[in-house]
Amino acid sequence: GQQLNQSPQSMFIQEGEDVSMNCTSSSIFNTWLWYKQEPGEGPVLLIALYKAGELTSNGRLTAQFGITRKDSFLNISASIPSDVGIYFCAGRNQGGKLIFGQGTELSVKP
Amino acid sequence: DAGVIQSPRHEVTEMGQEVTLRCKPISGHNSLFWYRQTMMRGLELLIYFNNNVPIDDSGMPEDRFSAKMPNASFSTLKIQPSEPRDSAVYFCASRPGQGMDYGYTFGSGTRLTVV
Repeated sequence: GQQLNQSPQSMFIQEGEDVSMNCTSSSIFNTWLWYKQEPGEGPVLLIALYKAGELTSNGRLTAQFGITRKDSFLNISASIPSDVGIYFCAGRNQGGKLIFGQGTELSVKP
Repeated sequence: DAGVIQSPRHEVTEMGQEVTLRCKPISGHNSLFWYRQTMMRGLELLIYFNNNVPIDDSGMPEDRFSAKMPNASFSTLKIQPSEPRDSAVYFCASRPGQGMDYGYTFGSGTRLTVV
């Protein structure tokens, strides 16, 4: 089946640093979504991307839908302790299914 | 808006017992999804419904799993009989409209432990 390769698996950074994570696939997706999950909660949508090449920001977060429609990245600028959590990319295929990456666990040291 | 509501939040049961997980989607959302999350396999789609009709259940592990959506405001996921390998966090999510490219809204999940 379709798979998303998300990297890195985990990151340990200092407060104030910028963060970058990405997802790649051998398949084409129509929509890319980025979620954040905190302990004991479900994933919460951060950014949605609907067109190839689209670059969208949400505060300190910026995400892009790759031109080939097979990849996406998420950047977090000037990280703060509350950015801690697991970040998931998700791609929606033509059949409507949402396929999730394995997640990037972010730790921020004050 | 109360969001997607799942119950119970935690369930501990003995192997062989029947387990029923419940979900109330956001009012007006036409699509409902059941996901399972484990460390090894991440988030896996089990089944999804559009307008209360099951569309794709190819992710349901085996016959021990069944899901129903008797009306637009309620869905259940049942495991019978349960096994230790079913231990996971089960999420319900809903989305407005079949043809609309909106992200899903997830519930807080049910953490199931089968001993």
